[in-house]
Amino acid sequence: KQEVTQIPAALSVPEGENLVLNCSFTDSAIYNLQWFRQDPGKGLTSLLLIQSSQREQTSGRLNASLDKSSGRSTLYIAASQPGDSATYLCAVPYNFNRFYFGSGTKLNVKP
Amino acid sequence: EPEVTQTPSHQVTQMGQEVILRCVPISNHLYFYWYRQILGQKVEFLVSFYNNEISEKSEIFDDQFSVERPDGSNFTLKIRSTKLEDSAMYFCASSGAREETQYFGPGTRLLVL
Repeated sequence: KQEVTQIPAALSVPEGENLVLNCSFTDSAIYNLQWFRQDPGKGLTSLLLIQSSQREQTSGRLNASLDKSSGRSTLYIAASQPGDSATYLCAVPYNFNRFYFGSGTKLNVKP
Repeated sequence: EPEVTQTPSHQVTQMGQEVILRCVPISNHLYFYWYRQILGQKVEFLVSFYNNEISEKSEIFDDQFSVERPDGSNFTLKIRSTKLEDSAMYFCASSGAREETQYFGPGTRLLVL
């Protein structure tokens, strides 16, 4: 079974700060890792998918890194904005086609 | 932009009743998933479906649950006899390949009374 942990559970920062969200997983035999955003009461929006062969993936102000051997991924958000306030989730596969999610980091960016 | 859709958005049912949750995945996708999220808890994997059969299922997905792709567009989750603890948000997702991005629908909020 895959155990996925996200630290911190919650984060409150002033607008403009750069921040790092962490995701760790116990089984490193993964083929990718996906980061999502979830707004309250809503579905999940895919932010970044990083393949196991990649070290980094970037989209706008977001950058995700993956270190399979240590079982870690980070999501870096540059120049945070109030609109970034949401819960950020990471998901990793296990076995052929089963996925495990972390509990998420709830981010609040204050204007 | 193509998106995953789910119906209904909300469903209230009595314990012991059968419910069917419906999803329309993105049209050229081949992998389909159901997840659930109990209020305040993690998103939990239920089942993955590929080539008209279940490829993986979790311990949650017992005999009370079933999935079907009845035609070329719909993907359904049936709960045969609902329990109070089935109350949750149910999400459908699809991807073009196993290694590709999963796209999620907006969810169906199921309340079992």
